Amino acid sequence: KQEVTQIPAALSVPEGENLVLNCSFTDSAIYNLQWFRQDPGKGLTSLLLIQSSQREQTSGRLNASLDKSSGRSTLYIAASQPGDSATYLCAVNSGNTPLVFGKGTRLSVIA
Amino acid sequence: EAGVVQSPRYKIIEKKQPVAFWCNPISGHNTLYWYLQNLGQGPELLIRYENEEAVDDSQLPKDRFSAERLKGVDSTLKIQPAELGDSAVYLCASSPHRDRETSSGYTFGSGTRLTVV
Repeated sequence: KQEVTQIPAALSVPEGENLVLNCSFTDSAIYNLQWFRQDPGKGLTSLLLIQSSQREQTSGRLNASLDKSSGRSTLYIAASQPGDSATYLCAVNSGNTPLVFGKGTRLSVIA
Repeated sequence: EAGVVQSPRYKIIEKKQPVAFWCNPISGHNTLYWYLQNLGQGPELLIRYENEEAVDDSQLPKDRFSAERLKGVDSTLKIQPAELGDSAVYLCASSPHRDRETSSGYTFGSGTRLTVV
């Protein structure tokens, strides 16, 4: 059974700092991995989708990497801003099973 | 493109009352999902539809929860009767036909926050 773990559970950084969020999964036989952002009381906004054949994806200040063999992905946020404060969720798609989520990392960027 | 539309955004009901949530997926998306998210947790699947067929409902508490997707487009999730422990966010998501979902990912709606008092 696929299990997804996100570390740290919470993170507080000063504005302008670069930061890394970590995601690990137990079964490396995945189709893709998706990073989402969730603001308090809101739904999920897709940030980046990495296919199993890819090593990384970039969107603006965000860069996500995938090392399928070791079961790890990282989300790198450059020059963090207060508006980046949210919960970041990692989810793994293994094909015929439901999308499996981690519990998320709650990020606070302090001005 | 309107995205995945859910209603209502918030719902407060007394325990033992019924409640229903509605979801309209992205046009052309054959696969529709209902997820449950408890506070501080990641979403967990309740039910998955391929068109109008429920193909994975193993996590749906069938004694009180029911869902339908008539005509394979929009969907309704119902709880009857609601319990205090049902307070959570109910998320709907959609993706293209299963063969292509691996390239497109999932799109989620804004969710319905249910509070049972």
